[in-house]
Amino acid sequence: EPEVTQTPSHQVTQMGQEVILRCVPISNHLYFYWYRQILGQKVEFLVSFYNNEISEKSEIFDDQFSVERPDGSNFTLKIRSTKLEDSAMYFCASSPRNEQYFGPGTRLTVT
Amino acid sequence: RKEVEQDPGPFNVPEGATVAFNCTYSNSASQSFFWYRQDCRKEPKLLMSVYSSGNEDGRFTAQLNRASQYISLLIRDSKLSDSATYLCVVNPQISGGSYIPTFGRGTSLIVHP
Repeated sequence: EPEVTQTPSHQVTQMGQEVILRCVPISNHLYFYWYRQILGQKVEFLVSFYNNEISEKSEIFDDQFSVERPDGSNFTLKIRSTKLEDSAMYFCASSPRNEQYFGPGTRLTVT
Repeated sequence: RKEVEQDPGPFNVPEGATVAFNCTYSNSASQSFFWYRQDCRKEPKLLMSVYSSGNEDGRFTAQLNRASQYISLLIRDSKLSDSATYLCVVNPQISGGSYIPTFGRGTSLIVHP
């Protein structure tokens, strides 16, 4: 069964550094998403991506965040200058239309 | 008012019990609804979509009440492996046909022997 994959599984970075989180969505899916989940809190929508462009983004997704689909398979989330409060689990999801399938997540720790 | 509300629980039930969770949503323009389960420190996994007519998948039954803006999940004959957090997800449609998936905080279920 096809799965969404994410790398790395855990990323530790220092405040102010740039990080790139990578995702490989399910190959025939058209819609892609990034979410974050701070420990003990709910899953929060960051951004959705369709047809090679951002379709929606939340207020969390400010100028320090960007997404790219550099080739036909990878989908990346870049955080330009990390802050302590960016520490969270970041999930990528892909969808053929409505139902979303999540990757295992990247745990980002900002020190 | 929170967009998607769930009773956080925990619901602590014996094996074999029937348990029901509710979820209310505030945006009447919501178009699609889902239940996910999330195990500790893992990703959400799709459990089932929720259709207007209600739908069943084995021991799980989901229902939607648009007039009252809530969805429900019923689990029959609970198993130990059902222990998890159950997330309600609502997709309120916004202009242009796109939507922003909105998650509830989840309801914790603990099934004990």
